[in-house]
Amino acid sequence: KQEVTQIPAALSVPEGENLVLNCSFTDSAIYNLQWFRQDPGKGLTSLLLIQSSQREQTSGRLNASLDKSSGRSTLYIAASQPGDSATYLCAVSGQGGKLIFGQGTELSVKP
Amino acid sequence: DAGVIQSPRHEVTEMGQEVTLRCKPISGHNSLFWYRQTMMRGLELLIYFNNNVPIDDSGMPEDRFSAKMPNASFSTLKIQPSEPRDSAVYFCASSLTGTGYSNQPQHFGDGTRLSIL
Repeated sequence: KQEVTQIPAALSVPEGENLVLNCSFTDSAIYNLQWFRQDPGKGLTSLLLIQSSQREQTSGRLNASLDKSSGRSTLYIAASQPGDSATYLCAVSGQGGKLIFGQGTELSVKP
Repeated sequence: DAGVIQSPRHEVTEMGQEVTLRCKPISGHNSLFWYRQTMMRGLELLIYFNNNVPIDDSGMPEDRFSAKMPNASFSTLKIQPSEPRDSAVYFCASSLTGTGYSNQPQHFGDGTRLSIL
């Protein structure tokens, strides 16, 4: 049974810092891995999707990497801003698009 | 594009009542997913449909929960009778899945916040 773990559960950093969020999964047979952002009281917004054959994806200040063989992914956020404060969720997709989520990392960026 | 639309946004009802949550997926998407989010268990998949057909309902907690997708543009999740432990945020998501679509993300609605008293 696939299990997804995110470390740390919460993170507080001063504005401008670069930071890394970690995600690990137990079964390497995945179709893709997705990183989402969730703001309080809102739904999830897809940030980056890495297909199983890819090693990384970049969007603006965000970079996500995938090491399928070791069951790990990282989300790197460069030059963090207060507007980046949110919960970040990692999810792996199996056949049919079914997503298994981690518990999330709650990020707070202090001005 | 309108995105995934869920209704109602909030629902407060008494234990034992029937609750119906509604979802309109993004036009053209062939898969629809219902998730439940709680503090204790995080985000859990309840059921998903592909081309309007239920594919995996192993996450549906009990027979009190049922879901339907009568056509490509509408789905419902029903709880009857409701219990306080059903209180959670219920999300609907849609995407394109299948061969050639492994790079398509899931798009989520804003959720229905359900409180059972």
